[in-house]
Amino acid sequence: DTEVTQTPKHLVMGMTNKKSLKCEQHMGHRAMYWYKQKAKKPPELMFVYSYEKLSINESVPSRFSPECPNSSLLNLHLHALQPEDSALYLCASSQDRVPQETQYFGPGTRLLVL
Amino acid sequence: SQQGEEDPQALSIQEGENATMNCSYKTSINNLQWYRQNSGRGLVHLILIRSNEREKHSGRLRVTLDTSKKSSSLLITASRAADTASYFCATMNTGFQKLVFGTGTRLLVSP
Repeated sequence: DTEVTQTPKHLVMGMTNKKSLKCEQHMGHRAMYWYKQKAKKPPELMFVYSYEKLSINESVPSRFSPECPNSSLLNLHLHALQPEDSALYLCASSQDRVPQETQYFGPGTRLLVL
Repeated sequence: SQQGEEDPQALSIQEGENATMNCSYKTSINNLQWYRQNSGRGLVHLILIRSNEREKHSGRLRVTLDTSKKSSSLLITASRAADTASYFCATMNTGFQKLVFGTGTRLLVSP
């Protein structure tokens, strides 16, 4: 199984809502990532978890809150988002956080904030 | 910004032709990777080339790396309509342990 799954595929939320994005992998990978991608732009790293511990936070606003409940799951909790947060949110995983590792990406959650 | 630049931004070719995309980056790297993304979906890893390698092949893909010029190229030979996608280079910088993506090339292959 070389698949990273993400739910939901699409999400529309108001600025006062609280929602969560979910990511799951069963490849035994110990590193998991959240990226944000705006239209026609490259993905930008948000967070990195390594062995279920947050190891990189790319100065992401606190309205985005990551969580890694176990080695297979990664959540991104959303609260009080702004319209400019509308984007494709991609989850990825890799065997470990070493330079030669390939990252496996999920299909993404397309988020629209109204 | 550490972000790399890719050119061209967009490329339109006919099936059977070759497609070449170029990537330039700014810092010392451990490796450079190429990913493909189909119409706003997830990225698929294509190939990884290490900083001490100059050329690598995988099927119809050929990647070159010139660390003195801080540049790489991706050649897709005998293109197919199914190759239509956005292609991103991504560098793994020494010391940072994270991927930094280039600006991407949108490839359109017409039947």
